[in-house]
Amino acid sequence: DTAVSQTPKYLVTQMGNDKSIKCEQNLGHDTMYWYKQDSKKFLKIMFSYNNKELIINETVPNRFSPKSPDKAHLNLHINSLELGDSAVYFCASSSRKTGYNSPLHFGNGTRLTVT
Amino acid sequence: QKEVEQNSGPLSVPEGAIASLNCTYSDRGSQSFFWYRQYSGKSPELIMSIYSNGDKEDGRFTAQLNKASQYVSLLIRDSQPSDSATYLCAVNIRVQGAQKLVFGQGTRLTINP
Repeated sequence: DTAVSQTPKYLVTQMGNDKSIKCEQNLGHDTMYWYKQDSKKFLKIMFSYNNKELIINETVPNRFSPKSPDKAHLNLHINSLELGDSAVYFCASSSRKTGYNSPLHFGNGTRLTVT
Repeated sequence: QKEVEQNSGPLSVPEGAIASLNCTYSDRGSQSFFWYRQYSGKSPELIMSIYSNGDKEDGRFTAQLNKASQYVSLLIRDSQPSDSATYLCAVNIRVQGAQKLVFGQGTRLTINP
């Protein structure tokens, strides 16, 4: 199936641990994103990559490090997890080839709970 | 001023009525506007996109854009209980040569049978 897929779906871990979330898209898009949705359902952009190049880096703590090995993959590694990192993290993709009008296609989300 | 603002609701509408959702944005140069629907525990799904002033209709959904007033809205006609969800307005904002899709805080809509 054509889609944006991210793993794992759920992630429960303790404070101070390091964890990674993986994302893959087979839509042929050239731009990928990480968004964070907090408990109030506010969806906020964290990072954006275009053809493996970082183009948007919001004011995110250095503990968050994205990595794009190719334009179909975008991973997110989080060091020294804190309680405030608990949220749902969505991966998304779009195509800049069609200009700036391309909507985002979202993955199913990773619910991260830090205890 | 927030980049994209919506009334968080909740908005309660009787079944069969018209639900009206509103959104304002701050960047006058924005060119692309989207409405996403998000069911509880699910990911956002695109339901409408609009790029030009005026109305755009797709089935029971109509998006309205007024760039002069920096205002975009979504009308849902003949509302159904299955329309109960959070509706997210999203606007492309220019950031130092790049574009990012900024979301409003969402409006929670409940359709009452």
